[in-house]
Amino acid sequence: SQQGEEDPQALSIQEGENATMNCSYKTSINNLQWYRQNSGRGLVHLILIRSNEREKHSGRLRVTLDTSKKSSSLLITASRAADTASYFCATDDWGAQKLVFGQGTRLTINP
Amino acid sequence: GAGVSQSPSNKVTEKGKDVELRCDPISGHTALYWYRQSLGQGLEFLIYFQGNSAPDKSGLPSDRFSAERTGGSVSTLTIQRTQQEDSAVYLCASSFSSGLAKNIQYFGAGTRLSVL
Repeated sequence: SQQGEEDPQALSIQEGENATMNCSYKTSINNLQWYRQNSGRGLVHLILIRSNEREKHSGRLRVTLDTSKKSSSLLITASRAADTASYFCATDDWGAQKLVFGQGTRLTINP
Repeated sequence: GAGVSQSPSNKVTEKGKDVELRCDPISGHTALYWYRQSLGQGLEFLIYFQGNSAPDKSGLPSDRFSAERTGGSVSTLTIQRTQQEDSAVYLCASSFSSGLAKNIQYFGAGTRLSVL
């Protein structure tokens, strides 16, 4: 079953602008992750945030988690053309190791 | 190896034929996962191997799909009597089974299967 739902499905912005993507999920989780997928390739792990954390940073990435609303957001600051990709959130059903992925947000950065 | 390796990268087959997809995980990763991704969609979980435990097959869509993992390393996903709706990218991932990083999965580049 699909747990994470990303919003928007597609996002197109100018290089240098910030990009925000949202993810909602349904069940209790231990942690939430964001992955990136470049066209025709596998997914690459970006960042993991645990259920007891509210915000996490990694370089130009900022992730927030609101467990009361069962939602997360991924902010990419000062976007670059190389950030063009699909972004997926993934959650673990509490205690399970396998992940449930959302449908993804397709991000396009225009030069 | 340096990363998760999948072969072939592309496979074209005729409806009704059987296909085998191979995944070679990162050395030392005891957990291995198979996913299916249709065009423009998210990942659909298929099966999960964890060490010597019985695999979690809850995501396999039909009995035409099966997978095995030999020697706790290489895995093969087999699709029998392929149908056109089986056309998709099949992704394999591996991870550690314990510690803080156990939920982080490392993906191969996938096998693009086209059933004509």
